[in-house]
Amino acid sequence: ILNVEQSPQSLHVQEGDSTNFTCSFPSSNFYALHWYRWETAKSPEALFVMTLNGDEKKKGRISATLNTKEGYSYLYIKGSQPEDSATYLCAFRTGGTSYGKLTFGQGTILTVHP
Amino acid sequence: NAGVTQTPKFQVLKTGQSMTLQCAQDMNHNSMYWYRQDPGMGLRLIYYSASEGTTDKGEVPNGYNVSRLNKREFSLRLESAAPSQTSVYFCASSDGGGTDYGYTFGSGTRLTVV
Repeated sequence: ILNVEQSPQSLHVQEGDSTNFTCSFPSSNFYALHWYRWETAKSPEALFVMTLNGDEKKKGRISATLNTKEGYSYLYIKGSQPEDSATYLCAFRTGGTSYGKLTFGQGTILTVHP
Repeated sequence: NAGVTQTPKFQVLKTGQSMTLQCAQDMNHNSMYWYRQDPGMGLRLIYYSASEGTTDKGEVPNGYNVSRLNKREFSLRLESAAPSQTSVYFCASSDGGGTDYGYTFGSGTRLTVV
């Protein structure tokens, strides 16, 4: 069983604050690292899929970086807004015949207070 | 709307009863997955189907069976429900191949076994 860990488990910030979370994953047999955003009462939605060491992806105020050699990824949110409140999941995909199978971390719950 | 459709959204079963959770996608994806989500456990893979006609066990397959009926549909069956199977179940699909755009999730089925 692959171990994907996210920290912190939860985070409370004020509107306008910038914040970041960490995802740690095995550094061997890497294929891809996914980030998902999961709002309450909805289903997870893909934010980023990262495949190359040093990858940096950006969508609006949210960005992510990837270090496959040391096995971690950071998700950054600049100028947090209340609508950013959600659980942020990372998921690891191994190489070989994994057919897209993902192992998920437990998520970081972000609450942005107005 | 295009995407992944799960039915039912809610279900209450008595211990020992059986039921089938249905999932269908209209994105022509090759791979489909069933996950369960429990508090503090994150998303755990039950079964997956890399392509039409194939199915494989995931991390927590005991007590479940699956059928990949065709490319669109992937069902999950509980033959004799147990309280430990109380959970939220998510179906997802992906291209599964070399180009990874991430998963598309269904809206989930909240199952309670009493």
